Amino acid sequence: GDSVTQMEGPVTLSEEAFLTINCTYTATGYPSLFWYVQYPGEGLQLLLKATKADDKGSNKGFEATYRKETTSFHLEKGSVQVSDSAVYFCALSDMGSSNTGKLIFGQGTTLQVKP
Amino acid sequence: GAVVSQHPSRVICKSGTSVKIECRSLDFQATTMFWYRQFPKQSLMLMATSNEGSKATYEQGVEKDKFLINHASLTLSTLTVTSAHPEDSSFYICSARDMGLAGGPLYNEQFFGPGTRLTVL
Repeated sequence: GDSVTQMEGPVTLSEEAFLTINCTYTATGYPSLFWYVQYPGEGLQLLLKATKADDKGSNKGFEATYRKETTSFHLEKGSVQVSDSAVYFCALSDMGSSNTGKLIFGQGTTLQVKP
Repeated sequence: GAVVSQHPSRVICKSGTSVKIECRSLDFQATTMFWYRQFPKQSLMLMATSNEGSKATYEQGVEKDKFLINHASLTLSTLTVTSAHPEDSSFYICSARDMGLAGGPLYNEQFFGPGTRLTVL
């Protein structure tokens, strides 16, 4: 079945460092891809998304490009801030003919940014 | 807009009792809601898909008689954990899918509630 694999954390960076969180997926169809962020004690918030190959999602300085050839959707940010400390989840959803809307999540990557 | 609430945010109960968790879409209609379970430092696991006016669809391995789901209106779904036991202690999160204006920016997007922390003693 469909699945999502993220790099294991925790990831610890100094403020203003460059961030990459790897995400790869397996899917039989043409999924939409998402990054969600979960701040401590809160629910998930959509960070960015891409619905087709070569699309780039971006938000709040974060970006990720839908790479069909490598089945990847890596999250990047050029300069992280302490406020970016959170758990980041990569997810996919098959929005094709079935369009169940079900999201399949990766295991999550904890990011800790130190001043 | 696109806010999903959950109630209660935190509940502690005795083993053997039942607990009901509500999930509401506050400013949009959600024909579909999803219930997830999250263990500490782990990912979200989809438990069931809740469709307004019909029976929920449970994921493999989820006991439908233990986790009762009711989606009686376009803005409310409830999850009842029946005869709760300590192993049911977890963080339960719901999400609601916006099926409003087709082609609109939020169409088909899922919005998550803040979660409910259940502790069974």
